[in-house]
Amino acid sequence: EDQVTQSPEALRLQEGESSSLNCSYTVSGLRGLFWYRQDPGKGPEFLFTLYSAGEEKEKERLKATLTKKESFLHITAPKPEDSATYLCAVQNTGNQFYFGTGTSLTVIP
Amino acid sequence: ETGVTQSPTHLIKTRGQQVTLRCSSQSGHNTVSWYQQALGQGPQFIFQYYREEENGRGNFPPRFSGLQFPNYSSELNVNALELDDSALYLCASSLDRAPLHFGNGTRLTVT
Repeated sequence: EDQVTQSPEALRLQEGESSSLNCSYTVSGLRGLFWYRQDPGKGPEFLFTLYSAGEEKEKERLKATLTKKESFLHITAPKPEDSATYLCAVQNTGNQFYFGTGTSLTVIP
Repeated sequence: ETGVTQSPTHLIKTRGQQVTLRCSSQSGHNTVSWYQQALGQGPQFIFQYYREEENGRGNFPPRFSGLQFPNYSSELNVNALELDDSALYLCASSLDRAPLHFGNGTRLTVT
């Protein structure tokens, strides 16, 4: 069965303290892997799409990487405004989408 | 560029009733997907419509049904509501099948 597991469930960082979020997945046929940011009371906001192992994408302080079994979201020198829940999702070749339960990130000033 | 809008924002229904949720896609997007997000959980895929036809479905019973209209707006219908249907329902639209843009959801409470 296709599934996504994210770790850790929650992460507290000091401002400027870099870290990584993990997304492990099993999928029958990967069409794409997505990272989203979700703020309380809002819908998820798209960050990145990765399509194949070895691919990397960057946006400001965030960098996403992909292997055949997992993806990492690296956060460099985070700021308090980076506090949010980060969601990972995979799309299989049957056009079904599976989300993880997310990592709740808190960045302390 | 108009984003994805959902209505209503909040809704309270009684067990056994039926509900219709609405979504207006982002301009130019031909694909819409619906998701259910329980508190503290990730979104769960309900189904996807591409050019007015369902082309992907998650593990939800048939009482969850949908429509996509020629203008690419969409409805999610849920019949015979159960208490466990209480959740945030999210709509996402995209161009050519990849979900990129979510609305802020409809919070459904079933009592």
